Amino acid sequence: GAGVSQSPSNKVTEKGKDVELRCDPISGHTALYWYRQRLGQGLEFLIYFQGNSAPDKSGLPSDRFSAERTGESVSTLTIQRTQQEDSAVYLCASSPRDLGGEQYFGPGTRLTVT
Amino acid sequence: GQSLEQPSEVTAVEGAIVQINCTYQTSGFYGLSWYQQHDGGAPTFLSYNALDGLEETGRFSSFLSRSDSYGYLLLQELQMKDSASYFCAVRDSSGYNKLIFGAGTRLAVHP
Repeated sequence: GAGVSQSPSNKVTEKGKDVELRCDPISGHTALYWYRQRLGQGLEFLIYFQGNSAPDKSGLPSDRFSAERTGESVSTLTIQRTQQEDSAVYLCASSPRDLGGEQYFGPGTRLTVT
Repeated sequence: GQSLEQPSEVTAVEGAIVQINCTYQTSGFYGLSWYQQHDGGAPTFLSYNALDGLEETGRFSSFLSRSDSYGYLLLQELQMKDSASYFCAVRDSSGYNKLIFGAGTRLAVHP
């Protein structure tokens, strides 16, 4: 089956604009995660969805960041009033409920804020 | 707080064995994962240890000692294609499926 897909693959935006990033998880995976990876650094947890439970938003860096997921399908990560420090690769991953240590990553969206 | 420590860089030659260590401090612990990431690529799952001991998968093995808050990834018969960054990640009790990643170890394999 298909893996995790993300769109767009690249996004260049001007400072102050809003951006929306999309993630399609693997079918049947109930858990979905968003991470941020700055150049040469590790992955920074942003938010986690598990089925219909309330999401874990503990990693969102500011109230400019928000994410939604409908059921066990597509998720969107929205960054409002983008800043230059938001420039990074945003990675989405999914996993079956009981295999949280084993996550499957999408190719990421490279966001550049000019 | 939560922290993971792993070496920033490791260099080895083809055919050799290399061990990448990871020590962690977390408020709770369910398991330790390892991921591989080639430049410009997405992280790829390698292994997950929830219990103490060694798990072997082909040329790669992963070890965990919960009492020492320590684990390692062992890569044998190194190949050029193993040149990549390797991340350890802790599944901690602050979120059942949430992973906290280390900063990564960049492995360079030379002929």
